[in-house]
Amino acid sequence: QQPVQSPQAVILREGEDAVINCSSSKALYSVHWYRQKHGEAPVFLMILLKGGEQKGHEKISASFNEKKQQSSLYLTASQLSYSGTYFCGTGASGGSNYKLTFGKGTLLTVNP
Amino acid sequence: DTGVSQNPRHKITKRGQNVTFRCDPISEHNRLYWYRQTLGQGPEFLTYFQNEAQLEKSRLLSDRFSAERPKGSFSTLEIQRTEQGDSAMYLCASSLARVITDTQYFGPGTRLTVL
Repeated sequence: QQPVQSPQAVILREGEDAVINCSSSKALYSVHWYRQKHGEAPVFLMILLKGGEQKGHEKISASFNEKKQQSSLYLTASQLSYSGTYFCGTGASGGSNYKLTFGKGTLLTVNP
Repeated sequence: DTGVSQNPRHKITKRGQNVTFRCDPISEHNRLYWYRQTLGQGPEFLTYFQNEAQLEKSRLLSDRFSAERPKGSFSTLEIQRTEQGDSAMYLCASSLARVITDTQYFGPGTRLTVL
């Protein structure tokens, strides 16, 4: 089942912060965050694993609440380049955690 | 550029025709995935290869779809007798399986339009 992302869209001024949430009804092993600009490939941002391991970019942080099957992506001091659609992809616990199920995305617009 | 590459980038075809897309993964990546993305949606998993073996196919993948990865390098996705509902962006991703969960890197996609 598809994870639910919120908000669907957010508009910021440069320098403001944003939080994007991802919630699943399934037990998760991993959460993967990507950013996609119009007409381009999704770009990897962050991966969070059950048990607390994380890897990703320096300027982006995220959390993973294993009990609630929820993840949040924190974007601080936003830049114009942060604009795009953010997707969370979830890997289920069990054997098929390589198969990611993506949410519908959150459209982030950063204005000058 | 050593990223994932896909060809062609755009394909326009008439309903009923067959189309084939190619994906070249990042060198040495042993896992390769195909996803489909429609407007306003996230990517949807279609199929997955580990080396040359196709290990899983989504129920979304009808009999008209077939994918191969000969020799465990590049992969092709063929759609036979295309329908208008096949219009979408077809994304390929690859990863290196070092641990149970690995990072998938996406290619730029092939945008298919079926007229």
